Amino acid sequence: NAGVTQTPKFQVLKTGQSMTLQCAQDMNHEYMSWYRQDPGMGLRLIHYSVGAGITDQGEVPNGYNVSRSTTEDFPLRLLSAAPSQTSVYFCASSFPSGTRNGEAFFGQGTRLTVV
Amino acid sequence: AQKVTQAQTEISVVEKEDVTLDCVYETRDTTYYLFWYKQPPSGELVFLIRRNSFDEQNEISGRYSWNFQKSTSSFNFTITASQVVDSAVYFCALSAYNQGGKLIFGQGTELSVKP
Repeated sequence: NAGVTQTPKFQVLKTGQSMTLQCAQDMNHEYMSWYRQDPGMGLRLIHYSVGAGITDQGEVPNGYNVSRSTTEDFPLRLLSAAPSQTSVYFCASSFPSGTRNGEAFFGQGTRLTVV
Repeated sequence: AQKVTQAQTEISVVEKEDVTLDCVYETRDTTYYLFWYKQPPSGELVFLIRRNSFDEQNEISGRYSWNFQKSTSSFNFTITASQVVDSAVYFCALSAYNQGGKLIFGQGTELSVKP
């Protein structure tokens, strides 16, 4: 089972460049989320989606854009990369309700460096 | 506002010692979920446990046990007879009821188990 697949695993960008981090899940989860992980700060929510066509902002949304056209895919776009966006990014999908409500499955992460 | 605090940034123990990782949370919701995730040196995030707010029973799974106390807003995690393979960063997280896509993470506790 693939679970949550993120690409790429590593990326170096120059300041001002744009790029898209890809995320796909094959578990038919309605909820998908993007987090960034920075030293000493845990994981912080960037954007999330409760289903196709529905997205909302998390704690640190500035500089990022998302869309959800299908249940499976939830790409994260960096519009104009800045050094402050150097981080490890995790995509997650989770059950929306029921006995496993909130149990999140994470991708392997994308280590992004902006120079 | 929701908040999760893991006051212990780093813990170092010798193999076979017991170790407790502390987690204190804040929320105004009456129904919520608490989680623990493990991040080994390889970087992936592994789900360990979910606990809902109306179930204060402690849980034991092998060498792992969790103590949930609503009165002190704590959800502590104990590893009994620690092993080198337990070395990882451990995150405590919180979500509101039916908002499983929005996890609020603590800062993480890095556990180092030395042989």
